[in-house]
Amino acid sequence: AQKVTQAQTEISVVEKEDVTLDCVYETRDTTYYLFWYKQPPSGELVFLIRRNSFDEQNEISGRYSWNFQKSTSSFNFTITASQVVDSAVYFCALSARDSTLTFGKGTMLLVSP
Amino acid sequence: DGGITQSPKYLFRKEGQNVTLSCEQNLNHDAMYWYRQDPGQGLRLIYYSQIVNDFQKGDIAEGYSVSREKKESFPLTVTSAQKNPTAFYLCASSARDGSYEQYFGPGTRLTVT
Repeated sequence: AQKVTQAQTEISVVEKEDVTLDCVYETRDTTYYLFWYKQPPSGELVFLIRRNSFDEQNEISGRYSWNFQKSTSSFNFTITASQVVDSAVYFCALSARDSTLTFGKGTMLLVSP
Repeated sequence: DGGITQSPKYLFRKEGQNVTLSCEQNLNHDAMYWYRQDPGQGLRLIYYSQIVNDFQKGDIAEGYSVSREKKESFPLTVTSAQKNPTAFYLCASSARDGSYEQYFGPGTRLTVT
């Protein structure tokens, strides 16, 4: 069975601090995709990134960066110089062969001014 | 603009009544999904459909039913058999191109009293 664990339920930081959201996954598949989604207070999930299991290169997009380590089954997400607009719930997800996604329980990030 | 629409955003029903949540997409996606979100629980898959006239149960299908008569539409009925129907319901769709990326609608918050 697949599983995604986001151990951090809630994180509070002050604006301009860096913050890392952890994601650990379990799967028996050799080919899979990992995702991060952002859910602002409005409720709609916004896609942030997709990473396939064969690509362990770290990725940076502006203030966002992702660290994928297959050896530890982790796919962590770092926000550099956080801003109030980053306040949201962030979900990590793992694909299955039938195209479904298994989501973690989410990490609520609160960035205060 | 292409996207997924869910209506209404807020829905109130009395206990014992069936209620149908609407989900429409104009992204020409083959696959569609319904998730339920409860506080602190992340997203849990209710039903999914990979092609018209076919659908599969997800992890928490009991008390729910769906239909997929058109590619664009995937309505979810919350029946009176669902013991705890009050929740936030999210619909998503994806292309069958191997990307597994799911696009989400704005969600419907259902309250049953």
